[in-house]
Amino acid sequence: QSVLTQPPSASGTPGQRVTISCSGSSSNIGSNTVNWYQQLPGTAPKLLIYSNNQRPSGVPDRFSGSKSGTSASLAISGLQSEDEADYYCAAWDDSLNGYNYVFGTGTKVTVL
Amino acid sequence: QITLKESGPTLVKPTQTLTLTCTFSGFSLSTSGVGVGWIRQPPGKALEWLALIYWDDDKRYSPSLKSRLTITKDTSKNQVVLTMTNMDPVDTATYYCARFGGPFDYWGQGTLVTVSS
Repeated sequence: QSVLTQPPSASGTPGQRVTISCSGSSSNIGSNTVNWYQQLPGTAPKLLIYSNNQRPSGVPDRFSGSKSGTSASLAISGLQSEDEADYYCAAWDDSLNGYNYVFGTGTKVTVL
Repeated sequence: QITLKESGPTLVKPTQTLTLTCTFSGFSLSTSGVGVGWIRQPPGKALEWLALIYWDDDKRYSPSLKSRLTITKDTSKNQVVLTMTNMDPVDTATYYCARFGGPFDYWGQGTLVTVSS
């Protein structure tokens, strides 16, 4: 059902850089900003990145976001054990079906 | 400090109507630009946006669920209510409410709703 496609999993060792992609289309990422949410195990999602590359107060600067065309990426630099979580991209989708806030398929990040 | 909390039944029967209440504090739903939305997550699956109500009572619904959803607000009580009709076992999920300040920037803890006879 998700119109934003993410890889199911990503992993790295502590200190490594991990990148998560989010692929969409002209009706969502191509014409609207992208947000990223982090969901730690057993908890509610938390806003991690908004407006493509902005970090809310309190989010470490090792998290960064970018967007190009109809795709977006989340990078985690200096991976830490507490970064092990599910990550979701999201954006508004202005399709013929109406105004729809769509989430990505989600990526589980594992710290090896 | 902004907080949101969902409340409602934990178990509903198929075909019944689900009513969930989001009670929030730390912000006002009469502030320009602010909204409150609902998002759900079936066990082990991805997030799915359901509905959003803005400060000016503008309402948005997921196109795939629009016919089953109604969102309302009571600004004086700091509450937003979501109703979903004709519940089905596939609607079993954790339901979250969240403040919309551009993105969904503050989330409730979620409430698990199971649909079963």
